[in-house]
Amino acid sequence: DQQVKQNSPSLSVQEGRISILNCDYTNSMFDYFLWYKKYPAEGPTFLISISSIKDKNEDGRFTVFLNKSAKHLSLHIVPSQPGDSAVYFCAAIRRREGTYKYIFGTGTRLKVLA
Amino acid sequence: DVKVTQSSRYLVKRTGEKVFLECVQDMDHENMFWYRQDPGLGLRLIYFSYDVKMKEKGDIPEGYSVSREKKERFSLILESASTNQTSMYLCASIVETEAFFGQGTRLTVV
Repeated sequence: DQQVKQNSPSLSVQEGRISILNCDYTNSMFDYFLWYKKYPAEGPTFLISISSIKDKNEDGRFTVFLNKSAKHLSLHIVPSQPGDSAVYFCAAIRRREGTYKYIFGTGTRLKVLA
Repeated sequence: DVKVTQSSRYLVKRTGEKVFLECVQDMDHENMFWYRQDPGLGLRLIYFSYDVKMKEKGDIPEGYSVSREKKERFSLILESASTNQTSMYLCASIVETEAFFGQGTRLTVV
């Protein structure tokens, strides 16, 4: 049972345009949501996060939006750059018994065309 | 900077072998996780540990075990490697809400 889903396995965007990556979740008990970026042959690196009590968080070119009623979050990258080409994973965290359980989505491969 | 180091980048093992994947972090974090990454399936949690000698099963623990004898080291063990365990294995050390990943181990079981 996939609790965190990324329904688009891939996305291509022209350089300078907006990239929108989507993520849906099923469990309303998640406390935080995060986005990670992964290049081939490297581990994922943290990009941006949002608490479940907020609906937007912005960091430079990256903005994450959270729609709790729809159980949906999205990552906007504006403007997109060729170096943004990578696999993006959304993740949801549930705090339980003093620790955090991390659940990742299936990933979306973003290709930014020069 | 947090550093999470996995002992091998690439491994090739034979079916039936016992395989050890090692992960070391240098920031005294309590929480450490092992994931495997497969195309179309994302990162799936195998095991995690929230303290020395403490471990908890993730979503796909079958065929794996773990060891956490020291806080900085979290080992993943494939008791008898099988071809369906060919995958990219990722270790993460987690503090608060942020996960720091190692570079990954690409394991091929032949």
